[in-house]
Amino acid sequence: KAGVTQTPRYLIKTRGQQVTLSCSPISGHRSVSWYQQTPGQGLQFLFEYFSETQRNKGNFPGRFSGRQFSNSRSEMNVSTLELGDSALYLCASSLGPINSPLHFGNGTRLTVT
Amino acid sequence: AQTVTQSQPEMSVQEAETVTLSCTYDTSESDYYLFWYKQPPSRQMILVIRQEAYKQQNATENRFSVNFQKAAKSFSLKISDSQLGDAAMYFCAYMKNDMRFGAGTRLTVKP
Repeated sequence: KAGVTQTPRYLIKTRGQQVTLSCSPISGHRSVSWYQQTPGQGLQFLFEYFSETQRNKGNFPGRFSGRQFSNSRSEMNVSTLELGDSALYLCASSLGPINSPLHFGNGTRLTVT
Repeated sequence: AQTVTQSQPEMSVQEAETVTLSCTYDTSESDYYLFWYKQPPSRQMILVIRQEAYKQQNATENRFSVNFQKAAKSFSLKISDSQLGDAAMYFCAYMKNDMRFGAGTRLTVKP
């Protein structure tokens, strides 16, 4: 069974631009969650989608948004990029129940210049 | 708010020996889940072990085991017979509605 696939693996953007990251979950997984990983703040929860609905949201500004499609694939969008948005963005999928273990992708490394 | 604390930024162990990574958490909930994840240089987070808070028995997965002390809010990971492939960042995580991670412990395994 294929794992969680995140595209692209690397991105370089300039301040003020917007970016869209993609995540394809493991087949049969209905939940997709997103995390930001930085050396200073560590791993922080962004949001989680289940059956196309946002089920949980972390403490990030509205510039960070996401959505989930009917095939469970998810996209994350960051608008008006700031230097501080440079990070590794990890996507994880799970079967769906809140306590389901997360299966992570390899992440997208975003650099904002 | 739930917080997860890993007090050891770095740990080192000799190959074939045992090492314990510490984790404490803060919560007012009685029902939750705890996890240890491993992140090697490849960046992919890999689930190591999982513990349900309502279970008193400590979880075990081959060479990995936990010492779960609910009253003390402590959840340490013991790695027995350490192997070179165990070298990675290890993250302790707490889950109730969403997952909260500790800052991580970088484990080095010396041959």
